Amino acid sequence: AQKITQTQPGMFVQEKEAVTLDCTYDTSDPSYGLFWYKQPSSGEMIFLIYQGSYDQQNATEGRYSLNFQKARKSANLVISASQLGDSAMYFCAMREGLNAGNMLTFGGGTRLMVKP
Amino acid sequence: DTAVSQTPKYLVTQMGNDKSIKCEQNLGHDTMYWYKQDSKKFLKIMFSYNNKELIINETVPNRFSPKSPDKAHLNLHINSLELGDSAVYFCASSQGGGRNLYEQYFGPGTRLTVT
Repeated sequence: AQKITQTQPGMFVQEKEAVTLDCTYDTSDPSYGLFWYKQPSSGEMIFLIYQGSYDQQNATEGRYSLNFQKARKSANLVISASQLGDSAMYFCAMREGLNAGNMLTFGGGTRLMVKP
Repeated sequence: DTAVSQTPKYLVTQMGNDKSIKCEQNLGHDTMYWYKQDSKKFLKIMFSYNNKELIINETVPNRFSPKSPDKAHLNLHINSLELGDSAVYFCASSQGGGRNLYEQYFGPGTRLTVT
């Protein structure tokens, strides 16, 4: 079974509007972390936001917020006030366990296109 | 002051050759990783390595081997290259602690093309 599922291969959003990118995960480990990365057309991977499984509050980083619903095993990324520079691939990823050696498992990605 | 660097950025080679991709991090991290991103943009972990333990994703062929001359470097060596090895390879590093526990910092990627 897929550990990380991103059901939206591509999305359009109007500039200045908010957009939600979906991510669901599957793990039996009670300790895990969820990450979102942005990959622009230039190819680099840029860390956006992190949510720990024991965090009581949803993570926020500037215009990025993570809608963490533990019971539903979802960790959707919300981008407020979209900008043209937000056009990119977005990847949800999960680290299982607390060991620093734990690897990230990535979802298939969502391509976001911001329209002017 | 690049955090995670990779060389080369592009690598074009023929089937059957042996090649290496170098990765260096200057963040003082204790764990490094290699990921493969295929043509459909799917990112998959290949290795996780710190000075104590190498963890290998079971799907990685044994033609691929990580080599770490020291804590700041994790090079990827590939023997007998095949067409299916064509992909973008990302190096990453992480260190425990901090608000974003175990956040991984990625290198710029190396695009490998096997002809």
